[in-house]
Amino acid sequence: GNSVTQMEGPVTLSEEAFLTINCTYTATGYPSLFWYVQYPGEGLQLLLKATKADDKGSNKGFEATYRKETTSFHLEKGSVQVSDSAVYFCALTSYSSASKIIFGSGTRLSIRP
Amino acid sequence: DTGVSQDPRHKITKRGQNVTFRCDPISEHNRLYWYRQTLGQGPEFLTYFQNEAQLEKSRLLSDRFSAERPKGSFSTLEIQRTEQGDSAMYLCASSLALARGTDTQYFGPGTRLTVL
Repeated sequence: GNSVTQMEGPVTLSEEAFLTINCTYTATGYPSLFWYVQYPGEGLQLLLKATKADDKGSNKGFEATYRKETTSFHLEKGSVQVSDSAVYFCALTSYSSASKIIFGSGTRLSIRP
Repeated sequence: DTGVSQDPRHKITKRGQNVTFRCDPISEHNRLYWYRQTLGQGPEFLTYFQNEAQLEKSRLLSDRFSAERPKGSFSTLEIQRTEQGDSAMYLCASSLALARGTDTQYFGPGTRLTVL
């Protein structure tokens, strides 16, 4: 079945550091890939998405590229801010599974000032 | 605010009681999803509706759980005879599903259930 594996946390970085959160997936067919973010006390928000191989999703300085050859969708940001502290979820959907989202277990990110 | 709303935001109940949660999707969204999230885990799919039809239910959804979307707008999720293992955040999401391709789901703030 479809599944998502992401880097375990927590991840603690200093402000302005470079961020990478690894994510790999297993899926039949051609899934769409997502990163969702959950800020403290708030609901899940879509951060970025990519719907086909080699697509790059980007938002708020974050980027992720859909790599079919390595079945990966790593999240990156060049310079993190304290306000980026949150839990990040890698996820996928596939048309064949009626678009229900399969989430990874989440990575908690804390940024030190 | 035209996002997905859920009510209540928090619910504390005693084991064996019934609880009901409500979700109001973004207007004109034809799909509505329910997920459950336990501490330290990602959300897990429970069920979804296309308009008023419930099209899929996860094996996580035991017989004590029932969901409805009577007019294709808001939805309710009821848990009967609650157990401590039902304690979790219950998330609702909605989307506009087109004939081709996958849809983007927008999540509500969730209802946190604590069963004592």
